[in-house]
Amino acid sequence: DGGITQSPKYLFRKEGQNVTLSCEQNLNHDAMYWYRQDPGQGLRLIYYSQIVNDFQKGDIAEGYSVSREKKESFPLTVTSAQKNPTAFYLCASSIIVHSGGLGDTQYFGPGTRLTVL
Amino acid sequence: AQKVTQAQTEISVVEKEDVTLDCVYETRDTTYYLFWYKQPPSGELVFLIRRNSFDEQNEISGRYSWNFQKSTSSFNFTITASQVVDSAVYFCALSEADGGSQGNLIFGKGTKLSVKP
Repeated sequence: DGGITQSPKYLFRKEGQNVTLSCEQNLNHDAMYWYRQDPGQGLRLIYYSQIVNDFQKGDIAEGYSVSREKKESFPLTVTSAQKNPTAFYLCASSIIVHSGGLGDTQYFGPGTRLTVL
Repeated sequence: AQKVTQAQTEISVVEKEDVTLDCVYETRDTTYYLFWYKQPPSGELVFLIRRNSFDEQNEISGRYSWNFQKSTSSFNFTITASQVVDSAVYFCALSEADGGSQGNLIFGKGTKLSVKP
């Protein structure tokens, strides 16, 4: 079955540690995205990538890093510089139909819930 | 100012009632796209609909219908004869060309719908 997988589902981290969240898709989608969701809030964009080996910062990139070495994979590292990392993290992907990705439908993975102890 | 406003934080209805979820957006672009997503308790966002700014036709899909009115910058979502399985958080989102981040979705804060048996 085609889809987007995220692992792990739950992740616990001690303060000061870096942690990497996995996102894999087998939909052959060009673009991939990382969002953060806090309770009672909408999703906020962390990073996105429209092509392998290239990515751009979203609205809240500070304290996060990403890589896009393969089309299928877009891991997110939450670094110790992120002041308040406890949140629900969602990965998404889309086919780029329109120039720049305007209006392309994004499909989401099941999410990873990160808790800092 | 918020670009996507979902003024209803929480709505509670009894099964079989009709319910409308409001979405008001703000953009200066003439070409833009609007989306609705459903987030059930499992956490994964499920795509429901995409509408471009040039298509103001209302859409119906089973018990779901959407009313797009550019004159009031609204894209409201109605569930007819609601069911317990409709209980979820519903997000409205905007994709616009402004600022160069064309593919990115701007989310409202969501409306939590509870359907009681």
